Amino acid sequence: AQSVTQLDSQVPVFEEAPVELRCNYSSSVSVYLFWYVQYPNQGLQLLLKYLSGSTLVKGINGFEAEFNKSQTSFHLRKPSVHISDTAEYFCAVSAYNTDKLIFGTGTRLQVFP
Amino acid sequence: DAMVIQNPRYQVTQFGKPVTLSCSQTLNHNVMYWYQQKSSQAPKLLFHYYDKDFNNEADTPDNFQSRRPNTSFCFLDIRSPGLGDAAMYLCATEGLYNEQFFGPGTRLTVL
Repeated sequence: AQSVTQLDSQVPVFEEAPVELRCNYSSSVSVYLFWYVQYPNQGLQLLLKYLSGSTLVKGINGFEAEFNKSQTSFHLRKPSVHISDTAEYFCAVSAYNTDKLIFGTGTRLQVFP
Repeated sequence: DAMVIQNPRYQVTQFGKPVTLSCSQTLNHNVMYWYQQKSSQAPKLLFHYYDKDFNNEADTPDNFQSRRPNTSFCFLDIRSPGLGDAAMYLCATEGLYNEQFFGPGTRLTVL
């Protein structure tokens, strides 16, 4: 079975500052890794995904994430955040042999002017 | 643009009055999902279809049913909504590498 831990439930940050949202996962089999963003009263939008190969993955809206197999982590980063990045961010994993996504509990990113 | 569409975006129903939520997709994906999401929580999987093969999560209440008449459409029926069923309901499809594409959601209010 797989599990996902998002270590921070809320991350406050000032506009134009860098941010890192942390995600750790547990799995006994190979997995795909994802980050989703959810704006208020909207569905989830895929930010980026790690399938295989290069451990640094670039996504939409200037976000990137780094897969670290030894630390079983997939932290999301952005070098300079905007007010519009205020949203809920979910890390998720999916084993190769299953159709299901396992979500973390989410991290609320709040960007202040 | 290919997408997942949910109607309506907001649904108000009365306690115990059946309600149906709709989802359609133009992505031609075989797998479709229904999730329930309550405030400040992660989405919770209710069921999913692989083509017409229906898969119910073990803890999905019997009050929730689903239909998928064809590849494009999927419906969520709540037979007797209770106050605890008020939530955002999300429909999603699955791409080639297990990534899921979500619709905008239907927010259900139960009075």
